[in-house]
Amino acid sequence: QKEVEQNSGPLSVPEGAIASLNCTYSDRGSQSFFWYRQYSGKSPELIMFIYSNGDKEDGRFTAQLNKASQYVSLLIRDSQPSDSATYLCAVKFADSWGKFQFGAGTQVVVTP
Amino acid sequence: DAGITQSPRYKITETGRQVTLMCHQTWSHSYMFWYRQDLGHGLRLIYYSAAADITDKGEVPDGYVVSRSKTENFPLTLESATRSQTSVYFCASSEWGQGAGEQYFGPGTRLTVT
Repeated sequence: QKEVEQNSGPLSVPEGAIASLNCTYSDRGSQSFFWYRQYSGKSPELIMFIYSNGDKEDGRFTAQLNKASQYVSLLIRDSQPSDSATYLCAVKFADSWGKFQFGAGTQVVVTP
Repeated sequence: DAGITQSPRYKITETGRQVTLMCHQTWSHSYMFWYRQDLGHGLRLIYYSAAADITDKGEVPDGYVVSRSKTENFPLTLESATRSQTSVYFCASSEWGQGAGEQYFGPGTRLTVT
């Protein structure tokens, strides 16, 4: 069973601070890694993806990938109350025919 | 409007009834997926499709049937609904070779089986 693990939280972050979310995965053959944001009662919304080791930045979001250690992280800089949501990590494995394995998600609460 | 839509958005049905959830996408994406999301379980894949007339089981397929006669549609049928199928159902699509194969989600269908 290929697994994707996330801390469930809630992760409480003061407004303006950096939120750091982590995700580990079990399959070394994993190809691509995705972060989704899901507001309560809404569908998952793609934030960004990464498939090369290192950092990838998009606005206030930075994804970090370390394939040797099998983890991917998401940093949210200058956290805003509107960032309060559940963040889902998803992994596309090498033999997956486009399928993802999702983590259970980390709930982030940004406090004013 | 372009995108991925699901219908109905909310459905209440009784145990034993057949229910069909609809999913339609306008991107002509090859891949389509059905997930259910329950508290404590996250998103679990029910069925997926790589193209019209090509479907396969995901992690939790029991009690569900899918078909895909046209690229843009991917209906999910609960043959005889049970209370354990009360959930939020999401449809998603992606395209092979586009970006990293990211999936885009529909708005979801909240199904209650009484």
